[in-house]
Amino acid sequence: SQKIEQNSEALNIQEGKTATLTCNYTNYSPAYLQWYRQDPGRGPVFLLLIRENEKEKRKERLKVTFDTTLKQSLFHITASQPADSATYLCALDTAAGNKLTFGGGTRVLVKP
Amino acid sequence: GAVVSQHPSWVICKSGTSVKIECRSLDFQATTMFWYRQFPKQSLMLMATSNEGSKATYEQGVEKDKFLINHASLTLSTLTVTSAHPEDSSFYICSAGLEDTQYFGPGTRLTVL
Repeated sequence: SQKIEQNSEALNIQEGKTATLTCNYTNYSPAYLQWYRQDPGRGPVFLLLIRENEKEKRKERLKVTFDTTLKQSLFHITASQPADSATYLCALDTAAGNKLTFGGGTRVLVKP
Repeated sequence: GAVVSQHPSWVICKSGTSVKIECRSLDFQATTMFWYRQFPKQSLMLMATSNEGSKATYEQGVEKDKFLINHASLTLSTLTVTSAHPEDSSFYICSAGLEDTQYFGPGTRLTVL
């Protein structure tokens, strides 16, 4: 069956360090993968989209890699700040029409 | 750009009543909108895909007669929870599709007493 897995354990990290999150998937062949940020009691906010033919994408302090052989994406937050504390969700397109399936999310806590 | 609003942000209702939630794309047109629900400490679960001018497509296990979806224009989709019961209490989030991305509303917290 299709599965998207993110580390369910919270990631505690010191301010200024790099946070690295993983998203693994099985039995999918996505055309693209997306990362979202969700704060408590709020809807997700789109961060980055990476396509199957792209290895890496950056946006400010964020970097995403996509390895379709390993079926894995890594999400990096460099020079992390307490304001980066949130839950980060990866999502894959699983059908036509932009339909997405989300992983369970990883909570990040950046300590000053 | 790509702002989506939801109204109301929270609602408390009595069991047996119906509740309508609106989702609007404010600065773009969306042929497709999506409705999700999220339980505490869980991820988003897609309920249905709403297409402008046609019937919504519901995910397996979602009762279409209970969760009525109307996508009357390219900027507005509504979800009506009919005859709500306490087990329908949840966080409902809509999104609007733009190119390959979905942009989400802020969510609606529904509490059914």
